[in-house]
Amino acid sequence: AQSVTQLGSHVSVSEGALVLLRCNYSSSVPPYLFWYVQYPNQGLQLLLKYTTGATLVKGINGFEAEFKKSETSFHLTKPSAHMSDAAEYFCAVSEDNAGNNRKLIWGLGTSLAVNP
Amino acid sequence: EAQVTQNPRYLITVTGKKLTVTCSQNMNHEYMSWYRQDPGLGLRQIYYSMNVEVTDKGDVPEGYKVSRKEKRNFPLILESPSPNQTSLYFCASSLLGGGHGYTFGSGTRLTVV
Repeated sequence: AQSVTQLGSHVSVSEGALVLLRCNYSSSVPPYLFWYVQYPNQGLQLLLKYTTGATLVKGINGFEAEFKKSETSFHLTKPSAHMSDAAEYFCAVSEDNAGNNRKLIWGLGTSLAVNP
Repeated sequence: EAQVTQNPRYLITVTGKKLTVTCSQNMNHEYMSWYRQDPGLGLRQIYYSMNVEVTDKGDVPEGYKVSRKEKRNFPLILESPSPNQTSLYFCASSLLGGGHGYTFGSGTRLTVV
């Protein structure tokens, strides 16, 4: 069965510092991989996704993630943190059920705090 | 604006009093889903629908009902709410399945006392 592990439920960085949020997955088939962001009192918003092709994926708000098959990882990075990046971040991997369902398996989330 | 609209945003109710949380999307998406979000448990899928009149159970369907009579609407029904259904609920839609990326609603915070 597929699973997603987000290392670190809480990450704190200084404004302007590198953001690195870790995600490892297990999958027996080529996965689709996702990062979502949840700002306080809001729904989740798709940051970026990997389906096929280029393994370095760029998303919104300056975030990017790299699919590393050999490491079964899909870590999220941003070169310079901004105060507005403080949010909960979720990694997810799709599970290919019959048809087009491709159910998502979710990580438990990483709360990112950005200190001035 | 493309969006998923949930109502209400906040709801406090008493045990056993039937309630409905509405969800509507304006993107002509085939796939819709309900999730609940609880601290330490992440997001868990309650029900999903791949098309009109087609619904299926997710991981935690007990105590919930759904219907999909029109493509745009996917209400979540709690026939007899209990305190363990106190949670933050999200409706989401996608062009096809979850593997195509969801658009989420803003959430409904439900408290059952």
